[in-house]
Amino acid sequence: KAGVTQTPRYLIKTRGQQVTLSCSPISGHRSVSWYQQTPGQGLQFLFEYFSETQRNKGNFPGRFSGRQFSNSRSEMNVSTLELGDSALYLCASSLVPSNTEAFFGQGTRLTVV
Amino acid sequence: AQKITQTQPGMFVQEKEAVTLDCTYDTSDQSYGLFWYKQPSSGEMIFLIYQGSYDEQNATEGRYSLNFQKARKSANLVISASQLGDSAMYFCAPTSGSARQLTFGSGTQLTVLP
Repeated sequence: KAGVTQTPRYLIKTRGQQVTLSCSPISGHRSVSWYQQTPGQGLQFLFEYFSETQRNKGNFPGRFSGRQFSNSRSEMNVSTLELGDSALYLCASSLVPSNTEAFFGQGTRLTVV
Repeated sequence: AQKITQTQPGMFVQEKEAVTLDCTYDTSDQSYGLFWYKQPSSGEMIFLIYQGSYDEQNATEGRYSLNFQKARKSANLVISASQLGDSAMYFCAPTSGSARQLTFGSGTQLTVLP
């Protein structure tokens, strides 16, 4: 059974641009969460989606947005990129929210120059 | 926001020995979960083990076990018979709130020595 797939794995963007990252959860999983990991702030929760609805959102500016499609695949978008957005973006999938197992993808490493 | 403390930023252990990684948290929730993840240098977060706050038994998963002390709000990960491939960053992540989102500690970098 395939794991969580995040694309692309690496991305370089320029300040001011926007970017879209994709996450395909494990087959049958309907909950997807996104996290940002930086050396300074560690792992921080961005948002969670379940059945195409955002259930929860972390403390990030409105430039960070996401959505989930009917097949449970999720995308996150960052507009007007800043240097500080450079990070590893990880998504996690679980059968349902609050499940006892949450599996992560390999992440997308975004570099903003 | 919940505070998670992993007091050991770095640890070394000899191959084949056991090692304990500490984690304390300050949740006010009555019901919560506690996850441990391993992150090798490749970046992927690998799920290791889960403990529910109402589980009576400490969780075990192969060479991984949890020393869960609910009253002390402590959930230490024990790795038995360490292997070179265990060298990685280890994160403790309790759930928070009714949405039970994961909140991560700062991690412990474990190095297994041959």
